[in-house]
Amino acid sequence: DQQVKQNSPSLSVQEGRISILNCDYTNSMFDYFLWYKKYPAEGPTFLISISSIKDKNEDGRFTVFLNKSAKHLSLHIVPSQPGDSAVYFCAASGDSGGGADGLTFGKGTHLIIQP
Amino acid sequence: ETGVTQSPTHLIKTRGQQVTLRCSSQSGHNTVSWYQQALGQGPQFIFQYYREEENGRGNFPPRFSGLQFPNYSSELNVNALELDDSALYLCASSFWRSGGTEAFFGQGTRLTVV
Repeated sequence: DQQVKQNSPSLSVQEGRISILNCDYTNSMFDYFLWYKKYPAEGPTFLISISSIKDKNEDGRFTVFLNKSAKHLSLHIVPSQPGDSAVYFCAASGDSGGGADGLTFGKGTHLIIQP
Repeated sequence: ETGVTQSPTHLIKTRGQQVTLRCSSQSGHNTVSWYQQALGQGPQFIFQYYREEENGRGNFPPRFSGLQFPNYSSELNVNALELDDSALYLCASSFWRSGGTEAFFGQGTRLTVV
């Protein structure tokens, strides 16, 4: 029973273009969503988050969009840079992210930025 | 910059043995969570500790247990190891109920059970 789904195991994007990573969820109790980035041999690094009371949050080159009715969120990276090549995890939480149920992660999308 | 450190980085154990993994939380954080990441999967929540007590648990059997110490460092203990316990174990620290807290992860411990 996968409550957070990232249906694209990998994505290849040309340097300078927009990268769009998608994530779907099934649990209506989720009210806080996060994106993490992971390089090999390192732990996941927090990237950006969004509360369910918003539909967009922007931080520099990174923007997360949330569509609650569709239970879908996406991460946009503009422009894409070589250092963005990594595995990106979508994660969700109930209780505004501070709850004791932990984070529920998707399986990740491997983003490859082509020169 | 994350200050979460885990030890050891790699470990090989035999089926049936017991293992202890350690985590040092980032300064100022009072909550620690443990996750298991199997190959090709996302991290899966094991449990969370706050004020030295377990206050949340994922779908893991009781042979997975933990401790949190007064300095907020933590241990994950796994008894009666099974082959399927082979995974990357991640520790994450955060500040309890900071309103949308983001967890800071360590680099993980790679456990191989043979």
